This record gives sequence, structure tokens and C-alpha cells, in this order.
Amino acid sequence: DAGVTQSPTHLIKTRGQQVTLRCSPKSGHDTVSWYQQALGQGPQFIFQYYEEEERQRGNFPDRFSGHQFPNYSSELNVNALLLGDSALYLCASSLRQGRNQPQHFGDGTRLSIL
Amino acid sequence: QQQVKQSPQSLIVQKGGISIINCAYENTAFDYFPWYQQFPGKGPALLIAIRPDVSEKKEGRFTISFNKSAKQFSLHIMDSQPGDSATYFCAASGSNYQLIWGAGTKLIIKP
Repeated sequence: DAGVTQSPTHLIKTRGQQVTLRCSPKSGHDTVSWYQQALGQGPQFIFQYYEEEERQRGNFPDRFSGHQFPNYSSELNVNALLLGDSALYLCASSLRQGRNQPQHFGDGTRLSIL
Repeated sequence: QQQVKQSPQSLIVQKGGISIINCAYENTAFDYFPWYQQFPGKGPALLIAIRPDVSEKKEGRFTISFNKSAKQFSLHIMDSQPGDSATYFCAASGSNYQLIWGAGTKLIIKP
């Protein structure tokens, strides 16, 4: 039973570029959430996707956008990259049905901005 | 009001000892409190979670204690082992399903 998988594992970009990160949820899960984790800090919620729509959004600018596909996989897109976007980007999947179902995390994509 | 405050920032415990990590929250609408364990280079892994209708939950060597009136909850790791050395995060969420995270505690278990 595959868990949450993310790709790529590492990525290096320069300021102003655009990046797309990908996530496949755990088998049977229908909801995907994205988090940004800066070095030495706790994850910060970016947004959550369910039924191919953004359902919740944290305090992130609209340079951060996403998409969910019919197979529940998801992409995170970041435009006009800034140095401060350097972080570990985590994807978590869960079941929407029922309140506060456990979120299962992938190992993340380490994004470095030069 | 959305914050979750976690302490201590780092903790060193002897093998076999009890590790205790504390968290406090302000938003009374939070109704789900998970603890996650994260090893270097890995994503967070769910350890144990509690809802406010119980004051304690135990799974193996891990116990969550919950004090609703004080808006505090804590993780106790009994018989701590070197393999428990990791960063631990508390978190909380309410009806909007957003997990709000503490800043993390780096735990080192000395052999």
C-alpha cells in the first residue's frame, strides 16, 4: 500500500522562475493539503484540495496556486520565486469524510532558490 | 488566537527516562490535537492524536494528556530510547481542517 509520494525530491531554481511540485495521495485518500516548512520551523498550511477545488487557504500570496486531478493527485505551482520561498514543501493526504481525519505526509520536495 | 505554543525547543533525556513536551493553544474552537514525529530528511509521521472529550490517550510508550480548561496538552514518552531521537510537533485543528503547528521540539535520547 503506497503512501504519499512527492516529486521531485530536490529542486534548485533562481529568483523569478516558476516551479511545479507534484503529489500522489495515499491509496483511498481523496483530499490533499500542501504545507511549507522552513528550516527549523513547523509546517505552515498553504491550501487544501478536495473534489478538484481549493477548499481552504492559509496566509500565502496568490503566487502559490494548485490543482487537483480526477485521480486525486495534486500539483503545487509557485510563480515569481523569491529567496524566501526556499523551504521543504510537504504534501499530506486524508479522507474528507468525517471530521479531522488523520493527515499522512510525504517526505517533501526540498526547494532551493538561488 | 490561531497559535500553538510548544516547549521546550530542545530536550535531552537519558535512555529509559521520560520525555515530556508541552503545548498550549488559544482557540477554543480547536477540537483535534495530533502529535507528529519527524526524522531528518523525512516528512512528519502521525504518532498519536486526541480529541477534547478525553483527558488522556495512551498508545504503547506514548501518552497524550489533555487539559481542556487550561487549554494545554502534552506528550509523554515513557522508557525513551535512542531511536526516539527526532523532532516532535504538536498541532491543532478545528472545523476548517487546517492544521496549526507548534514550532517543534528537538529530542535527543542519550544512550
